[in-house]
Amino acid sequence: GAGVSQSPRYKVAKRGQDVALRCDPISGHVSLFWYQQALGQGPEFLTYFQNEAQLDKSGLPSDRFFAERPEGSVSTLKIQRTQQEDSAVYLCASSSRTATIYEQYFGPGTRLTVT
Amino acid sequence: QKEVEQNSGPLSVPEGAIASLNCTYSDRGSQSFFWYRQYSGKSPELIMSIYSNGDKEDGRFTAQLNKASQYVSLLIRDSQPSDSATYLCAVKGWANAGGTSYGKLTFGQGTILTVHP
Repeated sequence: GAGVSQSPRYKVAKRGQDVALRCDPISGHVSLFWYQQALGQGPEFLTYFQNEAQLDKSGLPSDRFFAERPEGSVSTLKIQRTQQEDSAVYLCASSSRTATIYEQYFGPGTRLTVT
Repeated sequence: QKEVEQNSGPLSVPEGAIASLNCTYSDRGSQSFFWYRQYSGKSPELIMSIYSNGDKEDGRFTAQLNKASQYVSLLIRDSQPSDSATYLCAVKGWANAGGTSYGKLTFGQGTILTVHP
């Protein structure tokens, strides 16, 4: 079946613009995560959804970042009034949570460049 | 101190050699450990998972876990130029949010591996 997909793959925004990044998880996956990956670093946790509930948003760097998953499938990460420090790759991952297996599968990411 | 640390690299090995990638973690309650491979400009790809102490082999890859030492490693035998990538160690711990516990991955910063012909 299809993997995790993300769109757009690349986004260039002028400083101060709002952006919306979309994630389509693997069908049936309950858990959905957003990560931010700066150049040369590992992914950093942003937020977690279990179905439509956003259970953890402790990693969101500021109140300019907002995420939603209204029907428990597709998720959108929105960044308002983008700043240069928001430039990074934004990764989405989904997981089918079972008792013994917990593996996250990543989408291709959205590379955001703020100019 | 970072929760998950990897040897910074870059690591360069000749083709056919064994590449050894190391990772230490701080949370003793961690239960599951993962290695992801990330090619330049691509997303992380899960290549190994390990849950119990000891070794786990999958083809040319062997993951080793020592929970007492809080150490996990990845060995790549007969390294090939196509193995050149960044290798990310990820550790699953339990996080509590709103009264619900869930598994949360923490990643190391990655080790860049270059296999030269």
